Amino acid sequence: LAKTTQPISMDSYEGQEVNITCSHNNIATNDYITWYQQFPSQGPRFIIQGYKTKVTNEVASLFIPADRKSSTLSLPRVSLSDTAVYYCLVGDTGRRALTFGSGTRLQVQP
Amino acid sequence: DAGVTQSPTHLIKTRGQQVTLRCSPKSGHDTVSWYQQALGQGPQFIFQYYEEEERQRGNFPDRFSGHQFPNYSSELNVNALLLGDSALYLCASRRGGYNEQFFGPGTRLTVL
Repeated sequence: LAKTTQPISMDSYEGQEVNITCSHNNIATNDYITWYQQFPSQGPRFIIQGYKTKVTNEVASLFIPADRKSSTLSLPRVSLSDTAVYYCLVGDTGRRALTFGSGTRLQVQP
Repeated sequence: DAGVTQSPTHLIKTRGQQVTLRCSPKSGHDTVSWYQQALGQGPQFIFQYYEEEERQRGNFPDRFSGHQFPNYSSELNVNALLLGDSALYLCASRRGGYNEQFFGPGTRLTVL
């Protein structure tokens, strides 16, 4: 599975848009990009998945450039409840095990 | 519709003991995976079960074993516990052919 690199931590304020970028230079043709959110002492929760261009759901948007070597998770108008660890995963998540890195710890302040 | 459930919530054991953790997948899901998450780290894949057989395994010793039952529920067994086995153990389930995995709340294991 492709290795991913993302910032260790980020800080933001309520109401701001947060963009978390993930680098995955060795992404394979069949790989999807998936983001999970995890609150303390809870299991990770699926946020969004994409293959190319842009994907949007009720929670977030995922931007993927044409070369697919990076991706950006965009959280619009964050609130205190968005404080969590966000993981970027790359691979064929349909069949293979999920490979988590250390994630990005997002702290949202009032 | 209940999501993935795990039991127990917390568990304290001593070195050398054995432990069994249990997982019930989300309704309609047939594939169960187990992950170990040490404090401050991302989850690490232990193994995956489908049709009552272990299909994939991560880099974990044979002390870690599992089982899947006909109703798709699963158990994780860890023998000869070490202090380093202290972690949050997560179960995830998915429906065959679908990408999204749903995680349970985990079992917090403390080895003294």
